[in-house]
Amino acid sequence: EDQVTQSPEALRLQEGESSSLNCSYTVSGLRGLFWYRQDPGKGPEFLFTLYSAGEEKEKERLKATLTKKESFLHITAPKPEDSATYLCAVYSNTGKLIFGQGTTLQVKP
Amino acid sequence: ETGVTQSPTHLIKTRGQQVTLRCSSQSGHNTVSWYQQALGQGPQFIFQYYREEENGRGNFPPRFSGLQFPNYSSELNVNALELDDSALYLCASSLGDSPFDEQYFGPGTRLTVT
Repeated sequence: EDQVTQSPEALRLQEGESSSLNCSYTVSGLRGLFWYRQDPGKGPEFLFTLYSAGEEKEKERLKATLTKKESFLHITAPKPEDSATYLCAVYSNTGKLIFGQGTTLQVKP
Repeated sequence: ETGVTQSPTHLIKTRGQQVTLRCSSQSGHNTVSWYQQALGQGPQFIFQYYREEENGRGNFPPRFSGLQFPNYSSELNVNALELDDSALYLCASSLGDSPFDEQYFGPGTRLTVT
Protein backbone atom coordinates (compact mmCIF):
# COMPACT_ATOMS: atom_id res chain seq x y z
CA GLU A 1 0.00 0.00 0.00
CA ASP A 2 1.25 3.47 -0.91
CA GLN A 3 2.42 5.53 2.07
CA VAL A 4 3.72 9.06 2.58
CA THR A 5 5.24 10.14 5.90
CA GLN A 6 6.44 13.61 6.79
CA SER A 7 8.81 14.53 9.59
CA PRO A 8 9.02 16.28 11.89
CA GLU A 9 5.34 16.95 12.66
CA ALA A 10 6.25 20.38 13.99
CA LEU A 11 9.35 22.54 13.75
CA ARG A 12 10.24 25.77 15.51
CA LEU A 13 13.06 27.87 14.10
CA GLN A 14 14.55 31.23 14.84
CA GLU A 15 14.58 33.67 11.98
CA GLY A 16 17.64 32.92 9.84
CA GLU A 17 18.06 29.37 11.18
CA SER A 18 18.12 27.04 8.14
CA SER A 19 16.62 23.55 8.30
CA SER A 20 15.07 20.74 6.25
CA LEU A 21 11.69 19.01 6.17
CA ASN A 22 11.49 15.36 5.17
CA CYS A 23 8.93 13.46 3.09
CA SER A 24 9.45 9.68 2.92
CA TYR A 25 7.38 7.63 0.52
CA THR A 26 6.67 4.03 -0.40
CA VAL A 27 4.69 3.81 -3.61
CA SER A 28 4.17 1.47 -6.53
CA GLY A 29 5.86 3.59 -9.17
CA LEU A 30 6.39 7.31 -8.65
CA ARG A 31 4.80 9.55 -11.26
CA GLY A 32 5.34 12.82 -9.42
CA LEU A 33 5.99 14.36 -6.01
CA PHE A 34 4.52 17.72 -5.07
CA TRP A 35 5.16 20.22 -2.31
CA TYR A 36 2.48 22.59 -1.04
CA ARG A 37 2.29 25.30 1.57
CA GLN A 38 -0.94 25.72 3.57
CA ASP A 39 -1.75 28.71 5.74
CA PRO A 40 -4.44 28.41 8.46
CA GLY A 41 -7.96 28.62 7.03
CA LYS A 42 -6.77 28.47 3.42
CA GLY A 43 -6.33 25.86 0.72
CA PRO A 44 -2.86 24.53 -0.11
CA GLU A 45 -0.63 26.64 -2.35
CA PHE A 46 1.45 24.83 -4.97
CA LEU A 47 5.23 25.12 -4.57
CA PHE A 48 7.08 22.45 -6.59
CA THR A 49 6.77 19.34 -8.73
CA LEU A 50 9.56 16.76 -8.85
CA TYR A 51 9.46 13.82 -11.26
CA SER A 52 12.66 11.83 -10.92
CA ALA A 53 15.45 11.07 -8.46
CA GLY A 54 18.17 13.70 -8.54
CA GLU A 55 15.84 16.48 -9.58
CA GLU A 56 15.96 19.77 -7.68
CA LYS A 57 13.71 22.85 -7.77
CA GLU A 58 14.31 26.20 -6.12
CA LYS A 59 12.18 29.22 -5.29
CA GLU A 60 13.31 32.08 -3.09
CA ARG A 61 14.35 30.54 0.26
CA LEU A 62 12.99 27.09 -0.59
CA LYS A 63 14.71 24.21 -2.35
CA ALA A 64 13.15 20.80 -2.98
CA THR A 65 15.16 17.67 -3.73
CA LEU A 66 14.16 14.10 -4.57
CA THR A 67 15.70 10.66 -4.11
CA LYS A 68 14.18 7.24 -4.77
CA LYS A 69 12.82 7.05 -1.23
CA GLU A 70 12.37 10.59 0.02
CA SER A 71 12.19 14.27 -0.70
CA PHE A 72 13.55 17.17 1.29
CA LEU A 73 12.34 20.74 1.47
CA HIS A 74 15.28 22.88 2.50
CA ILE A 75 14.52 26.28 3.98
CA THR A 76 17.42 28.72 3.96
CA ALA A 77 17.46 31.69 6.33
CA PRO A 78 13.70 31.51 6.99
CA LYS A 79 11.61 34.53 7.84
CA PRO A 80 8.46 34.69 10.02
CA GLU A 81 6.30 34.82 6.88
CA ASP A 82 7.52 31.31 6.01
CA SER A 83 5.50 30.01 8.96
CA ALA A 84 2.90 27.58 7.59
CA THR A 85 2.14 23.88 7.23
CA TYR A 86 4.14 22.26 4.44
CA LEU A 87 2.54 19.29 2.72
CA CYS A 88 4.06 16.79 0.34
CA ALA A 89 1.97 14.61 -1.94
CA VAL A 90 2.84 11.65 -4.14
CA TYR A 91 1.21 10.62 -7.40
CA SER A 92 1.77 6.93 -8.09
CA ASN A 93 0.93 4.29 -10.67
CA THR A 94 -2.32 3.63 -8.77
CA GLY A 95 -3.57 6.89 -10.26
CA LYS A 96 -4.17 8.42 -6.86
CA LEU A 97 -2.61 11.38 -5.08
CA ILE A 98 -1.57 10.70 -1.48
CA PHE A 99 -0.71 13.52 0.92
CA GLY A 100 1.47 13.30 3.98
CA GLN A 101 0.13 14.67 7.24
CA GLY A 102 2.25 17.83 6.95
CA THR A 103 4.97 19.62 8.90
CA THR A 104 3.92 22.75 10.76
CA LEU A 105 6.73 25.28 10.69
CA GLN A 106 6.92 28.24 13.05
CA VAL A 107 9.62 30.84 12.48
CA LYS A 108 10.16 33.26 15.36
CA PRO A 109 11.65 36.72 14.84
CA GLU B 1 -5.78 34.53 -5.00
CA THR B 2 -5.92 31.29 -7.01
CA GLY B 3 -9.02 32.09 -9.03
CA VAL B 4 -10.75 29.02 -7.60
CA THR B 5 -13.85 29.71 -5.53
CA GLN B 6 -15.99 27.42 -3.39
CA SER B 7 -19.44 27.75 -1.87
CA PRO B 8 -20.68 27.76 0.73
CA THR B 9 -17.87 28.68 3.14
CA HIS B 10 -19.44 26.85 6.06
CA LEU B 11 -22.27 24.37 6.31
CA ILE B 12 -23.97 22.49 9.14
CA LYS B 13 -25.96 19.36 8.32
CA THR B 14 -27.62 16.57 10.26
CA ARG B 15 -26.60 12.92 10.03
CA GLY B 16 -28.46 11.16 7.22
CA GLN B 17 -28.97 14.32 5.14
CA GLN B 18 -27.52 15.05 1.72
CA VAL B 19 -25.22 17.93 0.79
CA THR B 20 -23.95 19.57 -2.40
CA LEU B 21 -20.75 21.59 -2.42
CA ARG B 22 -19.76 23.78 -5.35
CA CYS B 23 -16.52 24.83 -6.95
CA SER B 24 -15.69 27.27 -9.72
CA SER B 25 -12.36 26.60 -11.41
CA GLN B 26 -10.03 28.86 -13.33
CA SER B 27 -11.10 29.34 -16.93
CA GLY B 28 -9.30 26.85 -19.18
CA HIS B 29 -8.60 24.39 -16.38
CA ASN B 30 -10.04 21.12 -17.64
CA THR B 31 -9.20 19.06 -14.55
CA VAL B 32 -10.83 19.40 -11.15
CA SER B 33 -10.09 17.30 -8.09
CA TRP B 34 -11.87 17.12 -4.74
CA TYR B 35 -10.27 16.44 -1.37
CA GLN B 36 -11.39 15.89 2.21
CA GLN B 37 -9.17 17.33 4.92
CA ALA B 38 -9.73 16.42 8.55
CA LEU B 39 -8.34 18.72 11.23
CA GLY B 40 -4.57 18.35 11.57
CA GLN B 41 -4.31 15.94 8.63
CA GLY B 42 -3.27 16.18 5.01
CA PRO B 43 -5.98 16.25 2.33
CA GLN B 44 -7.38 12.91 1.14
CA PHE B 45 -8.11 12.49 -2.56
CA ILE B 46 -11.81 11.85 -3.26
CA PHE B 47 -11.97 11.93 -7.06
CA GLN B 48 -10.93 13.80 -10.17
CA TYR B 49 -12.78 14.91 -13.28
CA TYR B 50 -11.29 15.70 -16.66
CA ARG B 51 -13.50 17.28 -19.32
CA GLU B 52 -16.64 16.20 -17.43
CA GLU B 53 -15.60 12.54 -17.06
CA GLU B 54 -14.46 10.91 -13.82
CA ASN B 55 -10.73 10.34 -14.22
CA GLY B 56 -9.74 8.68 -10.94
CA ARG B 57 -11.11 7.96 -7.51
CA GLY B 58 -9.72 7.57 -4.01
CA ASN B 59 -10.93 5.24 -1.29
CA PHE B 60 -14.32 6.87 -0.75
CA PRO B 61 -17.69 5.09 -0.87
CA PRO B 62 -20.17 5.64 -3.72
CA ARG B 63 -22.23 8.03 -1.61
CA PHE B 64 -19.56 10.56 -2.55
CA SER B 65 -20.28 11.57 -6.12
CA GLY B 66 -19.48 14.48 -8.39
CA LEU B 67 -20.18 16.36 -11.55
CA GLN B 68 -18.14 18.69 -13.72
CA PHE B 69 -19.79 21.16 -16.08
CA PRO B 70 -18.58 22.76 -19.34
CA ASN B 71 -18.38 26.20 -17.69
CA TYR B 72 -15.51 25.04 -15.40
CA SER B 73 -17.76 24.59 -12.40
CA SER B 74 -18.15 21.34 -10.47
CA GLU B 75 -20.08 19.77 -7.62
CA LEU B 76 -19.39 17.31 -4.85
CA ASN B 77 -22.46 15.48 -3.56
CA VAL B 78 -22.49 13.46 -0.38
CA ASN B 79 -25.50 11.32 0.51
CA ALA B 80 -26.46 9.81 3.86
CA LEU B 81 -24.10 12.04 5.82
CA GLU B 82 -22.18 10.51 8.71
CA LEU B 83 -20.53 12.26 11.65
CA ASP B 84 -17.09 11.34 10.24
CA ASP B 85 -17.86 13.36 7.11
CA SER B 86 -17.22 16.51 9.14
CA ALA B 87 -14.16 18.07 7.50
CA LEU B 88 -12.84 20.77 5.20
CA TYR B 89 -13.65 19.96 1.58
CA LEU B 90 -11.25 21.36 -0.98
CA CYS B 91 -11.44 21.52 -4.73
CA ALA B 92 -8.41 22.09 -6.94
CA SER B 93 -8.15 22.82 -10.64
CA SER B 94 -5.33 22.37 -13.10
CA LEU B 95 -4.73 22.60 -16.84
CA GLY B 96 -4.84 18.81 -17.14
CA ASP B 97 -1.61 18.08 -18.99
CA SER B 98 -0.54 16.03 -15.98
CA PRO B 99 -3.39 14.97 -13.65
CA PHE B 100 -2.09 16.51 -10.44
CA ASP B 101 0.56 18.97 -11.55
CA GLU B 102 0.34 22.59 -10.45
CA GLN B 103 -3.09 22.40 -8.85
CA TYR B 104 -4.76 25.60 -7.66
CA PHE B 105 -6.84 25.06 -4.56
CA GLY B 106 -9.94 26.89 -3.45
CA PRO B 107 -10.37 28.07 0.16
CA GLY B 108 -12.56 25.10 1.03
CA THR B 109 -15.99 24.44 2.50
CA ARG B 110 -16.11 23.57 6.19
CA LEU B 111 -18.80 20.89 6.67
CA THR B 112 -20.04 20.01 10.14
CA VAL B 113 -22.33 17.00 10.56
CA THR B 114 -24.26 16.80 13.83
